[in-house]
Amino acid sequence: QKEVEQNSGPLSVPEGAIASLNCTYSDRGSQSFFWYRQYSGKSPELIMFIYSNGDKEDGRFTAQLNKASQYVSLLIRDSQPSDSATYLCAVLNQAGTALIFGKGTTLSVSS
Amino acid sequence: GAVVSQHPSWVICKSGTSVKIECRSLDFQATTMFWYRQFPKQSLMLMATSNEGSKATYEQGVEKDKFLINHASLTLSTLTVTSAHPEDSSFYICSARPAGGPQDGELFFGEGSRLTVL
Repeated sequence: QKEVEQNSGPLSVPEGAIASLNCTYSDRGSQSFFWYRQYSGKSPELIMFIYSNGDKEDGRFTAQLNKASQYVSLLIRDSQPSDSATYLCAVLNQAGTALIFGKGTTLSVSS
Repeated sequence: GAVVSQHPSWVICKSGTSVKIECRSLDFQATTMFWYRQFPKQSLMLMATSNEGSKATYEQGVEKDKFLINHASLTLSTLTVTSAHPEDSSFYICSARPAGGPQDGELFFGEGSRLTVL
């Protein structure tokens, strides 16, 4: 199974700061990348997906993709305590048959 | 958005019994459903990919005779954990891809089913 690597954290930021979450992947043929948020004991919920190199913004969230470096990141601006959760990076394999998840980064936003 | 429902959400069973978990797409048809397992503080690990009307494809290391998957209709896939043991205790999550949607499109996740084997 192809690898998706994330720093497990915890990443601690004060309320209002920018949180930066990083992810690298090994399957160079991957074309689709997803960020999920998961609260403890709950199922993941999709935050954003990105297919093309560059930045994609949605509200306070910005996903960045660099296929040459096999790197995808998620920026959360104006972090809120409610953003405290585990963020999972997921990569769709080249065949489109499996969505592979990283171990997740735990984010803690303090008020 | 599309809704995927799992049932039961929590099940406790004795060692040696079999447990069936259902995954239903409520407002769309899903030709492909994925079953994941998540241990505490771990990420989601893909167990198998289930395609309607055909045999499931299992990931390396997942015992197909222990984790029986049936995808008999476009809205229902079931995972049966046979002869469950305490080490099978985990959070099982299904996800579904809408039929006719892009292969790289969004997956919709069920709420998850927490299995505790005593």
